Amino acid sequence: DQQVKQNSPSLSVQEGRISILNCDYTNSMFDYFLWYKKYPAEGPTFLISISSIKDKNEDGRFTVFLNKSAKHLSLHIVPSQPGDSAVYFCAAGTRQLTFGSGTQLTVLP
Amino acid sequence: DAGVIQSPRHEVTEMGQEVTLRCKPISGHDYLFWYRQTMMRGLELLIYFNNNVPIDDSGMPEDRFSAKMPNASFSTLKIQPSEPRDSAVYFCASSLSGLDYEQYFGPGTRLTVT
Repeated sequence: DQQVKQNSPSLSVQEGRISILNCDYTNSMFDYFLWYKKYPAEGPTFLISISSIKDKNEDGRFTVFLNKSAKHLSLHIVPSQPGDSAVYFCAAGTRQLTFGSGTQLTVLP
Repeated sequence: DAGVIQSPRHEVTEMGQEVTLRCKPISGHDYLFWYRQTMMRGLELLIYFNNNVPIDDSGMPEDRFSAKMPNASFSTLKIQPSEPRDSAVYFCASSLSGLDYEQYFGPGTRLTVT
């Protein structure tokens, strides 16, 4: 039973364009949502988070949107850069996080 | 701060052998988590500690796995005896108390059991 789903295993985007990564969850008790970025042979790195009382949080080129009624989370990267190429995981919960399976983002120069 | 430190980075062992993975959390963090990443199951939580006390070990796959946290700066994950299906990348993460739940991950230990 996957409580956090990332249905797109991969995404390719041209440099300078917008990258949109999506995540769906099933547990309405989740009240904190995070995105992590992972490069090969490294641990996941925290990117951005949002609590359930908000619907948007922005940090530089990264914006996370939360739609609680749809149980949907998205990460927007604008503009995308080749260095953004990595696996992106969404996570949900509070102290105990449940992770999605990840989306491999490739930004083409 | 050096971040979360894990050792070894790579471990190759034969089936039946004991394996011990080590983790040093970020100083001042009072939560510590052990995860396992596989192609089939993704990133799954095995166990987590708060102030050195195990809080939830429901993710530990079976009795062959055990974890300890003897003090605030050190934790171990032990597999005895190891099996080929234990091959995975094992991550340790730590976080602070409070309403921000960000976890900071170590570089992981890649375990191969032959």
